[in-house]
Amino acid sequence: SQQGEEDPQALSIQEGENATMNCSYKTSINNLQWYRQNSGRGLVHLILIRSNEREKHSGRLRVTLDTSKKSSSLLITASRAADTASYFCATASIVGGSYIPTFGRGTSLIVHP
Amino acid sequence: GAGVSQSPRYKVTKRGQDVALRCDPISGHVSLYWYRQALGQGPEFLTYFNYEAQQDKSGLPNDRFSAERPEGSISTLTIQRTEQRDSAMYRCASSLSQGANTEAFFGQGTRLTVV
Repeated sequence: SQQGEEDPQALSIQEGENATMNCSYKTSINNLQWYRQNSGRGLVHLILIRSNEREKHSGRLRVTLDTSKKSSSLLITASRAADTASYFCATASIVGGSYIPTFGRGTSLIVHP
Repeated sequence: GAGVSQSPRYKVTKRGQDVALRCDPISGHVSLYWYRQALGQGPEFLTYFNYEAQQDKSGLPNDRFSAERPEGSISTLTIQRTEQRDSAMYRCASSLSQGANTEAFFGQGTRLTVV
């Protein structure tokens, strides 16, 4: 089963526009991580936000977390064609003493040059 | 090494054969995870180690799947009597500790095709 669900499933934008992806989850979490997966390549870690944090920035990336709504968003500003990829959120909550990142199905982002 | 290394990158095997997939985590990383990813889906948890101890194997789909990490470093995921439905990308990740807020870093994966 998958804990997080990304929305939308697919997003198509023009270069220079901003892209926003959302992640909703069901149970309490300790942290939430966002990953990027380019076609044919591995999962690249983008950012981790802790359950007691509300916002985090990394370059053109901005992540927010609203634990009351059990949701997170990933904003990519001034998108580039190279941002074309699938984006996944992974939530980690303690299960039997272990923190296991659990992934959603991802958002497929296409940035047109 | 600099990152998580998985081998082989691609594996084609005949139905009924056994396969062994290898994961070499980032040096010093305590936790190691195995995931399976079908096309168009997110990674699905299989099993997890802290050091050499297998902490959770609840995601292994059946008893044909097993994993080990005998010296707390390199791990092997073994699939016995492979079936076509086992075809997928198998991903390994490691993290520095088992703490609540440590990032998990992934390898490039092994693409398994069972014919």
